[in-house]
Amino acid sequence: QVQLQESGPRLVKPSESLSLSCVVSGASIIGSTWWSWVRQAPEKGLEWIGEISHTGSTNYTNYNPSLNSRVTISIDKAKNQFSLKLDSVTAADTAIYYCAGGRPSGKFYMDVWGSGTTVSVSS
Amino acid sequence: EIELTQSPVTLSLSPGERATLSCRASQTVSGYLAWYQHRPGQAPRLLIYDASYRATGVPARFSGNRSGADFTLTISDLEPEDFAIYYCHQRHTWPLSFGQGTKLEI
Repeated sequence: QVQLQESGPRLVKPSESLSLSCVVSGASIIGSTWWSWVRQAPEKGLEWIGEISHTGSTNYTNYNPSLNSRVTISIDKAKNQFSLKLDSVTAADTAIYYCAGGRPSGKFYMDVWGSGTTVSVSS
Repeated sequence: EIELTQSPVTLSLSPGERATLSCRASQTVSGYLAWYQHRPGQAPRLLIYDASYRATGVPARFSGNRSGADFTLTISDLEPEDFAIYYCHQRHTWPLSFGQGTKLEI
């Protein structure tokens, strides 16, 4: 059974960087699964942030251009986890952040999710 | 960027009734569209993928359909646990996107 768990600071100051990790258990981080980050701001809908897949010796990434190149998603094979870094945060980045996995068995749609972690941006 | 427009914004029904939720794509997504159920305090749950295929463990009362760029999620015989927010999501073109959601309320 695949499980994902987010971790990271719950409070970040404006203009600083937000860093979150997602530990994957029950599956290898390496392979054709797409590992994603999705967020939900207060009273808003779901927003796709980006995704990463590690196949062979290459990381493939796709990001939401609405985040103006502030996003970096990376994989740590040794820890079987993937991470999100969002630079120059503002109050608009306050949200629940979810990590998710899109497996080949589910046609790469996000079919396994972490429980989400709330991040607030405030001084 | 592909915009997904969901309607209605809010749908008020009673248990036992039938719900019909719509999602229209601004450009072709072929059949690469999914539906998610999102309950407060929980992670989103994949219900339907590739427009009409139920995800593992999803009850048969959930069904999806496609007509061109228009997609429909139908929930027959509503159960109390079905009252939640539903999002459509396209995986045809990057950046991936979600609709704004339909709130299904009692």
